Amino acid sequence: DGGITQSPKYLFRKEGQNVTLSCEQNLNHDAMYWYRQDPGQGLRLIYYSQIVNDFQKGDIAEGYSVSREKKESFPLTVTSAQKNPTAFYLCASSPNSPISASTDTQYFGPGTRLTVL
Amino acid sequence: AQTVTQSQPEMSVQEAETVTLSCTYDTSESDYYLFWYKQPPSRQMILVIRQEAYKQQNATENRFSVNFQKAAKSFSLKISDSQLGDAAMYFCAYRSEGGGSNYKLTFGKGTLLTVNP
Repeated sequence: DGGITQSPKYLFRKEGQNVTLSCEQNLNHDAMYWYRQDPGQGLRLIYYSQIVNDFQKGDIAEGYSVSREKKESFPLTVTSAQKNPTAFYLCASSPNSPISASTDTQYFGPGTRLTVL
Repeated sequence: AQTVTQSQPEMSVQEAETVTLSCTYDTSESDYYLFWYKQPPSRQMILVIRQEAYKQQNATENRFSVNFQKAAKSFSLKISDSQLGDAAMYFCAYRSEGGGSNYKLTFGKGTLLTVNP
């Protein structure tokens, strides 16, 4: 089945440690995104990537890093520099079609809940 | 910058009845897209409906329809014949037309919908 997978579903980290969240898609989408969700808040964009080997900072990129070496994969690293990393993290992808932007709807993975102990 | 406001933190509806969720947004752009996403207890974001701003006709998807008022910058979601499975957090989101950082979604803070049997 086509879709977006995120792993792990739950992740615990000690303060001062870096941790990497996985996001994989087999939808052949060009664009991928990382969002953070806090209680009582909507989603906020951390990083996005429109093509392989290219990515851009979103609204809250400080303390995070990403890579996009393959079209299917867009891992997010939460570094020790992130002051308040406990949150729910959602990955999304979209076709990013230059021909028809109207079809550029974002589809989401199931999310990863990160807790800092 | 665009903002999205959902003024109803919580709503409730009786099963089989109709409910309307409100969303307003602020933008200086003329071309954009609006979305409603549903987030059930599983926390996966599911696309409910999408509206292109250049289209005057309101979008519909089975029991879900929108009332898009471009001049008023209003985008409400109507759920008809409510079902228990409709219970979820509903997010309104805005996306600019065009490329670059315009691909990001700007979300409201959500409305928690409860469906009573």
